[in-house]
Amino acid sequence: GAGVSQSPRYKVAKRGQDVALRCDPISGHVSLFWYQQALGQGPEFLTYFQNEAQLDKSGLPSDRFFAERPEGSVSTLKIQRTQQEDSAVYLCASSLGGLMTNYGYTFGSGTRLTVV
Amino acid sequence: GENVEQHPSTLSVQEGDSAVIKCTYSDSASNYFPWYKQELGKRPQLIIDIRSNVGEKKDQRIAVTLNKTAKHFSLHITETQPEDSAVYFCAASSGGYQKVTFGTGTKLQVIP
Repeated sequence: GAGVSQSPRYKVAKRGQDVALRCDPISGHVSLFWYQQALGQGPEFLTYFQNEAQLDKSGLPSDRFFAERPEGSVSTLKIQRTQQEDSAVYLCASSLGGLMTNYGYTFGSGTRLTVV
Repeated sequence: GENVEQHPSTLSVQEGDSAVIKCTYSDSASNYFPWYKQELGKRPQLIIDIRSNVGEKKDQRIAVTLNKTAKHFSLHITETQPEDSAVYFCAASSGGYQKVTFGTGTKLQVIP
C-alpha cells in the first residue's frame, strides 16, 4: 500500500480485556517496529521484526504483550489482561532497510488505546 | 542502552524568526540521527536525518548539525511559519537494525 495502515484507529477496552492491534506496513519494507507513545512523551520502542523474525523484543513491558508477523508483512500486537497503564498510542513503523542500513521510518497513524 | 535528551521542552518564536532545538545522546556508537515532526493527533513524520560521517545537512529552511565529539546534535529552522508549529522529536540509532531512541520532544509554537 501507499503508507503504513493501522487498525483500529481507536480502541476502548475494559480492564482485564484482551486486545489485538493490527499493522499493515508498506509493501516490500523489511523492517517493522512497534512503539508505545504515552501522552506528551516520545515514542518508546517495544519490538522489532525483520521480515517474519522478531529480532528484538526488549521493549515489551511485560509478558502480557505479544507481537507477531507470521508471513513477514502484516503484524499484530496483542495485549492480554489490559491494565490502565497500557493506555497509550501504539505506533507501527516500517522501513526499507534491514540489518546495517539506516533509513527513516514511515509511521502509521497509530491506535489510541484507552483502558477503562 | 541509548539515552537521548532534548531541550527545550517548549519553544515559542515569532513568525519569521529562527528556532533551534538541541539534543544530546549517550551511546558513542550511534551513527544515525533522524528528526521527526508530529502535529497534534497525527503520526510522526521524518523531516530530515543525518549520519555520523557528516557534520551538517540542510534542506531548504531546515538544517541539522552533528558534533560527534560532544555527542550533540541540533535542528535549526529558519524563517519560521505558523505551519511549523508542532512537536519535534530528535532520535538516535545505534543498533544494527535501525532501532531508534527518541527524545522527549519539543513543542514549537510559531506566533503569527
